[in-house]
Amino acid sequence: DGGITQSPKYLFRKEGQNVTLSCEQNLNHDAMYWYRQDPGQGLRLIYYSQIVNDFQKGDIAEGYSVSREKKESFPLTVTSAQKNPTAFYLCASSIFGTWYNEQFFGPGTRLTVL
Amino acid sequence: AQTVTQSQPEMSVQEAETVTLSCTYDTSESDYYLFWYKQPPSRQMILVIRQEAYKQQNATENRFSVNFQKAAKSFSLKISDSQLGDAAMYFCAYASSGDKLTFGTGTRLAVRP
Repeated sequence: DGGITQSPKYLFRKEGQNVTLSCEQNLNHDAMYWYRQDPGQGLRLIYYSQIVNDFQKGDIAEGYSVSREKKESFPLTVTSAQKNPTAFYLCASSIFGTWYNEQFFGPGTRLTVL
Repeated sequence: AQTVTQSQPEMSVQEAETVTLSCTYDTSESDYYLFWYKQPPSRQMILVIRQEAYKQQNATENRFSVNFQKAAKSFSLKISDSQLGDAAMYFCAYASSGDKLTFGTGTRLAVRP
């Protein structure tokens, strides 16, 4: 079945540690996205990549980094510079990089900083 | 930046009844797209319905329909014959060719059996 997978489902981090969230898609989509979801705030865009080997900052990129070396993979690293990283993280993809295309979402990763 | 407002944090509906979720947006564009996404308890978001602003006809998908009022910048979602599986968080979203997908803060819908 085609879809988006995210791992792990739950992640615990000590303060000062970097962690990497995995996102893989087998939909052959060009574009991939990372969102952060906090209670009462909807989804906020962290980074996006409209084509392999290229990515752009979203609205809240500070303290995060990404790479897009393969079309199917778009890992997100939460660095120690991110001041409040506890949140739910959603990865998405769309067939093309135009914003009005339907985005398909993964099941998410819940990150908790201890 | 475009804004999307959902003024109803929570709604409740009796099973088999109809409920309408509200959404307003702000834009200076004439051509854009509006979406309703559903986030069930599993938290994996799925697209419910999409409306293109240049189309006057309201979009429908089975029990889901929208009331798109372009002049009023309003985009409400009507769920008919509500089912227990409709219980979820619903997000209204906006995008255009030049503007990223922007989400509202969501409406949590409860369905009473």
